[in-house]
Amino acid sequence: SQQGEEDPQALSIQEGENATMNCSYKTSINNLQWYRQNSGRGLVHLILIRSNEREKHSGRLRVTLDTSKKSSSLLITASRAADTASYFCATALGGGNKLTFGTGTQLKVEL
Amino acid sequence: EPEVTQTPSHQVTQMGQEVILRCVPISNHLYFYWYRQILGQKVEFLVSFYNNEISEKSEIFDDQFSVERPDGSNFTLKIRSTKLEDSAMYFCASGGGGTDTQYFGPGTRLTVL
Repeated sequence: SQQGEEDPQALSIQEGENATMNCSYKTSINNLQWYRQNSGRGLVHLILIRSNEREKHSGRLRVTLDTSKKSSSLLITASRAADTASYFCATALGGGNKLTFGTGTQLKVEL
Repeated sequence: EPEVTQTPSHQVTQMGQEVILRCVPISNHLYFYWYRQILGQKVEFLVSFYNNEISEKSEIFDDQFSVERPDGSNFTLKIRSTKLEDSAMYFCASGGGGTDTQYFGPGTRLTVL
């Protein structure tokens, strides 16, 4: 798999349900970041988790990181229609380093 | 809340023409980046810039591309002779100032005809 591959590629859920997206990567990293992108728009930073962290929360978001499996997951709880967007993970080797983005998960939250 | 801004939001140009995409990073940030996203594809790294010089560049960032920080606030990407395949959304990002987070601007959609 490529550095930063998300699955599923697409996810459709009902409002109020939880959405889980996964990201796998190949090389050792310093940190992993999750971004949201609404169709045709910019990238909004959601959360950063460092390689020495296992779990992080921000509002309705919960991110986990398993460096032994080289994988991360993003959980959005109690989803809303406004959460409809593409979600990308991006890995970095260190501060100031380039981000390598995954292929993204397209999330659709239906009313 | 401070944010990265980019101008223009949309640029249409003819093949072979030069374009300059402009960005104003967040003011206390030290690292600056350009990425691009071809429609329907991944976001790809182009170049990073630190301490007034390129710190890393990708294979995409060939001699047709250049970056500059002409003053204390702007950060520009120049494409000397655009090609059809340069059509993409170009994102500027900045980071540093005590955090590894990279903050992205809204993007410039470049269309090469």
